[in-house]
Amino acid sequence: ETGVTQTPRHLVMGMTNKKSLKCEQHLGHNAMYWYKQSAKKPLELMFVYNFKEQTENNSVPSRFSPECPNSSHLFLHLHTLQPEDSALYLCASSPPTDTQYFGPGTRLTVL
Amino acid sequence: GENVEQHPSTLSVQEGDSAVIKCTYSDSASNYFPWYKQELGKRPQLIIDIRSNVGEKKDQRIAVTLNKTAKHFSLHITETQPEDSAVYFCAASIGSNDYKLSFGAGTTVTVRA
Repeated sequence: ETGVTQTPRHLVMGMTNKKSLKCEQHLGHNAMYWYKQSAKKPLELMFVYNFKEQTENNSVPSRFSPECPNSSHLFLHLHTLQPEDSALYLCASSPPTDTQYFGPGTRLTVL
Repeated sequence: GENVEQHPSTLSVQEGDSAVIKCTYSDSASNYFPWYKQELGKRPQLIIDIRSNVGEKKDQRIAVTLNKTAKHFSLHITETQPEDSAVYFCAASIGSNDYKLSFGAGTTVTVRA
């Protein structure tokens, strides 16, 4: 499936590194999302962008910084992360009032 | 905010038997309830969804039921097959905004051959 793509698929970083996750969709969707998926826990909604405007920030620490330059691209900038931030980060997109389609995720390990 | 609880957390069934997963939600304004299937190492994929104006929806071996009064909804898989083995997530819209979802913790389903 190539509707929603994410890069990189795997990332290992130290606590002092700065890295960025990228999400891209060419489905014509107007809403894009970042989720954190940790083992044995519900998917945690982090950020929502609707028509490039951020409409949700679920008390996410400032070491996570989203960017949505246009309705097809979404970034998650990472800075001074903690080991507990290690997880699968999923991007999703959706048309108005319809279901969300997920990307394959980025498996992040913070050392 | 919306709180979605999902049970059981693990479910093992014999091939050919049925599997049922139940979810409850807290926000009476929720009106959209999708179910996702996530196979090991893969992305979550929508398998079926239901809106609050419908009580039941079926797609081949998969069905979802919704009880708005009790605020719970269930996924039913009949005639289970080994390829049904996966983690299943329920979700509920946060209020009436379809594009914001709150997810359950997931159910790991194992179908024994």
